[in-house]
Amino acid sequence: NAGVTQTPKFQVLKTGQSMTLQCAQDMNHEYMSWYRQDPGMGLRLIHYSVGAGITDQGEVPNGYNVSRSTTEDFPLRLLSAAPSQTSVYFCASSDREETQYFGPGTRLLVL
Amino acid sequence: AQSVAQPEDQVNVAEGNPLTVKCTYSVSGNPYLFWYVQYPNRGLQFLLKYITGDNLVKGSYGFEAEFNKSQTSFHLKKPSALVSDSALYFCAVSPRTDTGRRALTFGSGTRLQVQP
Repeated sequence: NAGVTQTPKFQVLKTGQSMTLQCAQDMNHEYMSWYRQDPGMGLRLIHYSVGAGITDQGEVPNGYNVSRSTTEDFPLRLLSAAPSQTSVYFCASSDREETQYFGPGTRLLVL
Repeated sequence: AQSVAQPEDQVNVAEGNPLTVKCTYSVSGNPYLFWYVQYPNRGLQFLLKYITGDNLVKGSYGFEAEFNKSQTSFHLKKPSALVSDSALYFCAVSPRTDTGRRALTFGSGTRLQVQP
């Protein structure tokens, strides 16, 4: 099993550009989520999904969209990047025992 | 609203000595509690969790944590620290819900430095 994979590893955007952060898992987990990590603030939940076709907002959803067309994939879209979205983004999937497994992260810099 | 506090930004300990990384939480009802570790430029790795049952939870790499409901604490411990334990440690809490939502609320993290 590859676990949770994320692409790209690093991305530089200009303000106003859009992009999609990819996330995939091969563990057949129903629950997936996106977090952002900022210095001194731990991780904060952006969006989550309890299964294909079902998504909901987390703590900091503004500026981000998600969709879940398959169990395996959970992409995160930035519609119009802003410098405040400079962060490290982690995707996670959860098993039925509540444990969340995290991907390696995408480091995003918005200029 | 739920919250997690990790009162120490950094903990320094000598190799071979016991270590404790503190965590307190606030959540309604009975929570799920977790510890994760993050090495530089890596994702978070699961260490251990408390779901129910025995208050002392044993996890990976010799770590353990004690759930104390009256003090709303979930401190991470290890009897003998290794230099390789040096990393960033996160405590997290998740409420028990019927909605399927498993939103983890994280503390701000504690950097553990183990000196040789």
